[in-house]
Amino acid sequence: TQLLEQSPQFLSIQEGENLTVYCNSSSVFSSLQWYRQEPGEGPVLLVTVVTGGEVKKLKRLTFQFGDARKDSSLHITAAQPGDTGLYLCAEAGGTSYGKLTFGQGTILTVHP
Amino acid sequence: DAGVIQSPRHEVTEMGQEVTLRCKPISGHNSLFWYRQTMMRGLELLIYFNNNVPIDDSGMPEDRFSAKMPNASFSTLKIQPSEPRDSAVYFCASSFLGVNEQFFGPGTRLTVL
Repeated sequence: TQLLEQSPQFLSIQEGENLTVYCNSSSVFSSLQWYRQEPGEGPVLLVTVVTGGEVKKLKRLTFQFGDARKDSSLHITAAQPGDTGLYLCAEAGGTSYGKLTFGQGTILTVHP
Repeated sequence: DAGVIQSPRHEVTEMGQEVTLRCKPISGHNSLFWYRQTMMRGLELLIYFNNNVPIDDSGMPEDRFSAKMPNASFSTLKIQPSEPRDSAVYFCASSFLGVNEQFFGPGTRLTVL
């Protein structure tokens, strides 16, 4: 079973600051997804990265996939209170097609 | 468009009681997933179905847990008998078969006293 480690576990910052959260694996990802979960709701998919070295942008969010496809990062520029939530990475696909394995997540709190 | 629907949203029960959680996937989706989320263990896959057939139930913690999908628009997760350590938020998610994007329901928060 692939283990996904996310860091940091908790992040508390002020509005306007930048931040980066990380997702690392003991083995190569088939593909990797990032989800955001707001309090009282289910996770919502933000992005899927597939190719080593891939960079995707979603407004103020930048997602990078490591060249070796064993790590990924999510960078948020000028964080806003609306970015508050749990950020989860998930390994997708592989031999168990359709099955996702999630990391423990990073709880982000952005204070106004 | 209706998303994944779960009921109840909250359930409080006493140890030993039977609990049934319900899920209606997005219409047209043919894969359905049940997850459990706790602070200690994060989001864990319990079981998933493709075309109403259970594919992988290796995440089901014990025989006390069972899941069914009698048709494409309904699934249940049953715990009998329930224990305090089953307290968690249970999510149902659905997707098109072979597509990795899963759509999650709002979850059922279960408290077993």
